[in-house]
Amino acid sequence: TQLLEQSPQFLSIQEGENLTVYCNSSSVFSSLQWYRQEPGEGPVLLVTVVTGGEVKKLKRLTFQFGDARKDSSLHITAAQPGDTGLYLCAGSTDSWGKLQFGAGTQVVVTP
Amino acid sequence: DAGVTQSPTHLIKTRGQHVTLRCSPISGHKSVSWYQQVLGQGPQFIFQYYEKEERGRGNFPDRFSARQFPNYSSELNVNALLLGDSALYLCASSLYTGSSYEQYFGPGTRLTVT
Repeated sequence: TQLLEQSPQFLSIQEGENLTVYCNSSSVFSSLQWYRQEPGEGPVLLVTVVTGGEVKKLKRLTFQFGDARKDSSLHITAAQPGDTGLYLCAGSTDSWGKLQFGAGTQVVVTP
Repeated sequence: DAGVTQSPTHLIKTRGQHVTLRCSPISGHKSVSWYQQVLGQGPQFIFQYYEKEERGRGNFPDRFSARQFPNYSSELNVNALLLGDSALYLCASSLYTGSSYEQYFGPGTRLTVT
C-alpha cells in the first residue's frame, strides 16, 4: 500500500505541451523529494522541498509543496522527449529521512 | 565523484536459496538505506543504517537482514527466497543538508527468483 497517492498513473503528451503531476497524502511530511527513474535504473533525485508553500524551479520543471506539507505537484513546461520517465514523489516523516514513495507517474513525451 | 554502487547488477536464484546484495555509498555519506521495488510500484523501504546502527526497519519478514560495515558499505541478505522476492533492490546513501536528508540511489540489483 502506497501512503502517497500520485495522479495520473500514466501521461502521454506531444513535445511542447505542458503537464502536471500530483502527489497527495493524509500525512504531514517533514520533507518531500521528487525523483525521475529510467527503466532498469535507480531513481535520480530532482528536488527536495521542506517548507509549506515552497516553490522550486529546475529549468522547465516547477515543484510546489502544499501549505500543509501533505501534497506536492510537479509541472513541466514545454515538455521534451528527454523528459520521458517515471516520476516518483517520496515523503519523509521521521528524523532519519526514511522515504515513503508513491507508485509513480509514467510520462511519455513523443516528438 | 563516484555515485552509489551496487553489486551484482543482475542475479537469478531458485526458491529457497539465499542471496547477498552489496552496496557502497557515496564518499562521505554515513547512512545507507535499502528499498525493494516491484514492477509497477514505487520503492518500499526495507532498512536504514547509520554508523553501523539500524535506524529503521520496514514491514518485511525476518528473512530479510542487513548490516553496515566500518567503511559504511552495506549488505542486504535474504534467506529462503520466495518467488515474490523478485524485484529491483535499491540502495541509497544519504546526506543531511541542514534541513533534510537527501537520498541518492544506486542503479539497483535486479533479482529474479525462479
